[in-house]
Amino acid sequence: GAVVSQHPSRVICKSGTSVKIECRSLDFQATTMFWYRQFPKKSLMLMATSNEGSKATYEQGVEKDKFLINHASLTLSTLTVTSAHPEDSSFYICSARGYMGFRDGYTFGSGTRLTVV
Amino acid sequence: SQELEQSPQSLIVQEGKNLTINCTSSKTLYGLYWYKQKYGEGLIFLMMLQKGGEEKSHEKITAKLDEKKQQSSLHITASQPSHAGIYLCGAPSVRDNYGQNFVFGPGTRLSVLP
Repeated sequence: GAVVSQHPSRVICKSGTSVKIECRSLDFQATTMFWYRQFPKKSLMLMATSNEGSKATYEQGVEKDKFLINHASLTLSTLTVTSAHPEDSSFYICSARGYMGFRDGYTFGSGTRLTVV
Repeated sequence: SQELEQSPQSLIVQEGKNLTINCTSSKTLYGLYWYKQKYGEGLIFLMMLQKGGEEKSHEKITAKLDEKKQQSSLHITASQPSHAGIYLCGAPSVRDNYGQNFVFGPGTRLSVLP
């Protein structure tokens, strides 16, 4: 079945540095990828939607300059948390969807736990 | 935009008991997904429902989508401690024909007491 690989699974970084999280579709071409963030004891909140070759669409309240999303190929999307601060510490998870629209199903990565110290 | 509500918010049951979690959509669903998550870990795909009246089962978990395709239920029979976790329903939004977004319900936190 469809597999999405997300790396790293855990990362600790110093405040002020940038962190890149990768999301790869291993056996299918992902026309659209989604990035979510999960706060403690909360559900997954959609941050942005990215379509291959175009700019990401950010949800209201999400800083596009803070969370840079790149979807340069049909198998790879990256989320870069720039100038990270402790409040950016969270669980981030990506999802990918294939060519046939939502009826293809959505496949999720295993998530990345970011801790900013 | 489409919103999903889940009930109950949290649930504590004794091992062996049956339980039901509900997911209600503000709009017609074009697919409803159930996932299980332990907080801070990845999502475990449970089931996907697309047709009105559809019902699927996997081991002791059964999910149904109502005929109107606006409500789904997840039923666990003879619960075990291994069933504990957060159950999330998710669905493509209806922003456009290709479901531009995928949204989640707030989750139901299940605890199973041995």
